[in-house]
This record gives sequence, structure tokens and C-alpha cells, in this order.
Amino acid sequence: EAGVAQSPRYKIIEKRQSVAFWCNPISGHATLYWYQQILGQGPKLLIQFQNNGVVDDSQLPKDRFSAERLKGVDSTLKIQPAKLEDSAVYLCASSLGRGRLGEQYFGPGTRLTVT
Amino acid sequence: GDSVTQMEGPVTLSEEAFLTINCTYTATGYPSLFWYVQYPGEGLQLLLKATKADDKGSNKGFEATYRKETTSFHLEKGSVQVSDSAVYFCALSDLDDMRFGAGTRLTVKP
Repeated sequence: EAGVAQSPRYKIIEKRQSVAFWCNPISGHATLYWYQQILGQGPKLLIQFQNNGVVDDSQLPKDRFSAERLKGVDSTLKIQPAKLEDSAVYLCASSLGRGRLGEQYFGPGTRLTVT
Repeated sequence: GDSVTQMEGPVTLSEEAFLTINCTYTATGYPSLFWYVQYPGEGLQLLLKATKADDKGSNKGFEATYRKETTSFHLEKGSVQVSDSAVYFCALSDLDDMRFGAGTRLTVKP
């Protein structure tokens, strides 16, 4: 079974530039998550999709971050414009279902450096 | 809100030593509890889980027991190997939200 795919693996940009990350979840997984993991911290949920609808985006900085999952499969996360504090690893995860029994599978992440 | 607190690292052990990484949680409901491991350059992998009180999760020699009375889910392994060097995250999931601890870096020396 193929795992969660993410690209690119690494990205370096200057502040105020824009960047986009791509995620392809495990086939058949209806729920998709984007997390931000700052160095030395645990992952923090940014947004959760159920199929192509948003379930939770309460921690997404909506003035600069946006995400979509148009066909209920792949997803993109965009940052525009980037700030220095956005430097982090962006993790995508997917699960069959939601809630306390929904085991999440993680991709390798995209390491973003904003200079 | 729900939260997870795990012991700070880094932890450095010699091969074959006993490992304990403490994890406590705060939750209003009845969450599932998880340990994830992150090897260098890789994403998080589920190590073990427990979905109700007194459940014991186990995998690859690691164990953790869901203790409702002490709100804990401590990770243990009787004899660590160099290949266990990684960052370990305790997490809880309730309703639609998964919360992670800050992670504990383990280094095992030969």
C-alpha cells in the first residue's frame, strides 16, 4: 500500500514570497490533515478535510494560509505572503475516518525555510 | 482544552538499557492515546495505541498502558537498541482533534 505522498521535500524562499505544498493521501482515505511542526515542538493541526469539505480550520492563519481539496483526493496548502515564523515542517496526514478511532498516517513532510 | 504533556528530552541511554518516557494528558472526554515515532528525515509513524482505560498498546518491544486514574500513558521498553534513536511523540485524539506533545528525543549509544 502506497503511503501519503508530499512534495516538495524541501523549499527555501524569501519572506513575502508565496509557496505551495502538495499532498496525495492514501487511496480511500476520506479525511486529510495538514499540520505545522516547528522545530522542537509537536505537530499543530492547521486544517482538516472530510472528503472535499473543511471540518476544522480554526488554527489556520487565514490571512496568509489557504488550503483546498477540490476533488476529495489531493490537497494543496499555500502560504502567501510567507513570514520568517512560517519556517517549519508541514506534514500531511490521512485517515479512513474521523474521531478518536481514526488512526492517522503521515507523509514525510515538507521542510520550509523562510529567509 | 485537551492537552498532552510529555517528559522533556533529550534522553541518552546505552544499548540494552531500560526506557521510560512519561506522558500525561488532560481531556474532558474519553480520548484514544497514541505514541508516534519520528526517525530522522521521515514523517511520523504510529508506534502503538490504546483506545480505552486499562488497554495496553504494544509494538516492536515498546509498551504503554492507558491509566485513567493517573491520566498517564507512559512509554516503556525493556532493552533499547541503537536503531530506536528517534523522536517520540505522545498524542491524544478525541472527537475530531488530535493533540501532540512536544516530543522527546531519544539517543541510544552502542
